[in-house]
Amino acid sequence: RKEVEQDPGPFNVPEGATVAFNCTYSNSASQSFFWYRQDCRKEPKLLMSVYSSGNEDGRFTAQLNRASQYISLLIRDSKLSDSATYLCVVNGGRSSYKLIFGSGTRLLVRP
Amino acid sequence: NAGVTQTPKFQVLKTGQSMTLQCAQDMNHNSMYWYRQDPGMGLRLIYYSASEGTTDKGEVPNGYNVSRLNKREFSLRLESAAPSQTSVYFCASSYRTTNEKLFFGSGTQLSVL
Repeated sequence: RKEVEQDPGPFNVPEGATVAFNCTYSNSASQSFFWYRQDCRKEPKLLMSVYSSGNEDGRFTAQLNRASQYISLLIRDSKLSDSATYLCVVNGGRSSYKLIFGSGTRLLVRP
Repeated sequence: NAGVTQTPKFQVLKTGQSMTLQCAQDMNHNSMYWYRQDPGMGLRLIYYSASEGTTDKGEVPNGYNVSRLNKREFSLRLESAAPSQTSVYFCASSYRTTNEKLFFGSGTQLSVL
């Protein structure tokens, strides 16, 4: 089992749609959680951190479910510019330096 | 502010050749990393440097060596390239080692024939 698993997609949605991605992780000791965005042939960039209480940044909402060991990303009112691959990232444990990247979920937003 | 600068952007090697990927950051970050990204797989950590003067193996270190030349620079060397090392390589940095936002360079597309 992969340490961080994501549905590769692609998720193909119209502009204005709401779309949600889930990500599961295997290490119950993981403490830090992030969503990164990666455009085609570009470097990953931090989209948002994920906090225990859930957090929102504009049209983006991230949630953490420690009991079930998954995190989610909700995008409301999708824009064409949201088309990208979304990487789920989890740290390797309580004092681990290691960040473990999921293989990503691809989102395509169509006009 | 350049952030993380990585060179070269593209490289083609023959099996057995050697090369060094260069990385420099101007954000005064303590920690630097080398990742590789292969299709259908997440980024995998090759080596990291928690601070100037230290380096440690990551998940996939075999076939690579690194040098933390100073606080700004962290290089990755392939001594004898193999086709399995064909990948996209990313350098990254963060202020501290854990739980921190990573800043990535723009990547190096390496092909080993």
